[in-house]
Amino acid sequence: KNEVEQSPQNLTAQEGEFITINCSYSVGISALHWLQQHPGGGIVSLFMLSSGKKKHGRLIATINIQEKHSSLHITASHPRDSAVYICAVSRQGAQKLVFGQGTRLTINP
Amino acid sequence: GAGVSQSPSNKVTEKGKDVELRCDPISGHTALYWYRQSLGQGLEFLIYFQGNSAPDKSGLPSDRFSAERTGGSVSTLTIQRTQQEDSAVYLCASSLVPTNEKLFFGSGTQLSVL
Repeated sequence: KNEVEQSPQNLTAQEGEFITINCSYSVGISALHWLQQHPGGGIVSLFMLSSGKKKHGRLIATINIQEKHSSLHITASHPRDSAVYICAVSRQGAQKLVFGQGTRLTINP
Repeated sequence: GAGVSQSPSNKVTEKGKDVELRCDPISGHTALYWYRQSLGQGLEFLIYFQGNSAPDKSGLPSDRFSAERTGGSVSTLTIQRTQQEDSAVYLCASSLVPTNEKLFFGSGTQLSVL
């Protein structure tokens, strides 16, 4: 079993829909990262969380440390949100990230 | 510079040749990471630098892989005697300090070993 599991692996939705991507992890962490990767593009860090909730524009990220679970929400989704969203964790005492397999999101107009 | 710069953006090489991949992190970022993304696979950690030293090399797949960082800035990842399974996108990331800081990624080097 991977240390970081994301669901769903693929998600297709219509423009305007509310999107939720989930991430569960099995190790003690010091931080959790949400990353965005556009086709053919580089990776952009969206959020880094160690507790609670963060919001940036239409994106919201939450984390529940006790349940070892995080969610990324996108409100009023738009075709330009189509990308692969990757959850990654920093293990306690380590610097490297351990990555989930990613969620491929497609928003149709 | 304004962002993390990697070169070359694409590299095609023949099996058995050596390759060097370069990463120029954001100025002042002390932490530098190399990751690899193979086709259809997730991202995997290779090596982490704090300044010029590499406290974690645990992700390097074999002794054909090595990396160095000089002047606390530019890093070079070297792959000797390349194999076809080395084909992947090699990504570099940097952060201001190593612990729990936002990472900034380069655009990657697409390595193809024929």
